[in-house]
Amino acid sequence: SQQGEEDPQALSIQEGENATMNCSYKTSINNLQWYRQNSGRGLVHLILIRSNEREKHSGRLRVTLDTSKKSSSLLITASRAADTASYFCATDPSGTYKYIFGTGTRLKVLA
Amino acid sequence: DAGVIQSPRHEVTEMGQEVTLRCKPISGHNSLFWYRQTMMRGLELLIYFNNNVPIDDSGMPEDRFSAKMPNASFSTLKIQPSEPRDSAVYFCASSLSGLEKLFFGSGTQLSVL
Repeated sequence: SQQGEEDPQALSIQEGENATMNCSYKTSINNLQWYRQNSGRGLVHLILIRSNEREKHSGRLRVTLDTSKKSSSLLITASRAADTASYFCATDPSGTYKYIFGTGTRLKVLA
Repeated sequence: DAGVIQSPRHEVTEMGQEVTLRCKPISGHNSLFWYRQTMMRGLELLIYFNNNVPIDDSGMPEDRFSAKMPNASFSTLKIQPSEPRDSAVYFCASSLSGLEKLFFGSGTQLSVL
């Protein structure tokens, strides 16, 4: 079963705008990760946030984590056409040491 | 660093045939994961290994599926006999430990006719 669910399922924005994706999960976790998948390719790691962290930045990416609400958000600022991809959150239900992926958000950035 | 290497890239087979997917993890990584991706079910974790030992295979859908990791640099996922509903993209991923970021291979696109 899916541990995480992303919201929205699909998002279409104009180049230069910000894109926000949300992830909700069900059980306690050690950390949460975000991945990007371009069409027909493997997943690429973007950022990892640990359960004791609330916010993390990496370039144009900003991730927040609210363990009380069991949710995370990924913000991509100043989006580019090259950001067009599917984005997945992945969580490791505590004690299991395995990663379960969410349903993904399909982002389309229009030039 | 060559990354995670999967083969074949594409596999087309007929129902009932045996299919073997191969994965070479990144050197030095001690955790290996097999995932299956379909439009209907998304990314499903099939099995993962730590230090070549299968830790959790609860995601393996049926006895037709089996996975091995005979050494730290090679793993196989076998489907015997294959069925059309097995058609999917199968990904292998490795990590330095069970709690760090995963590195994915390019996947094997499997079509069972």
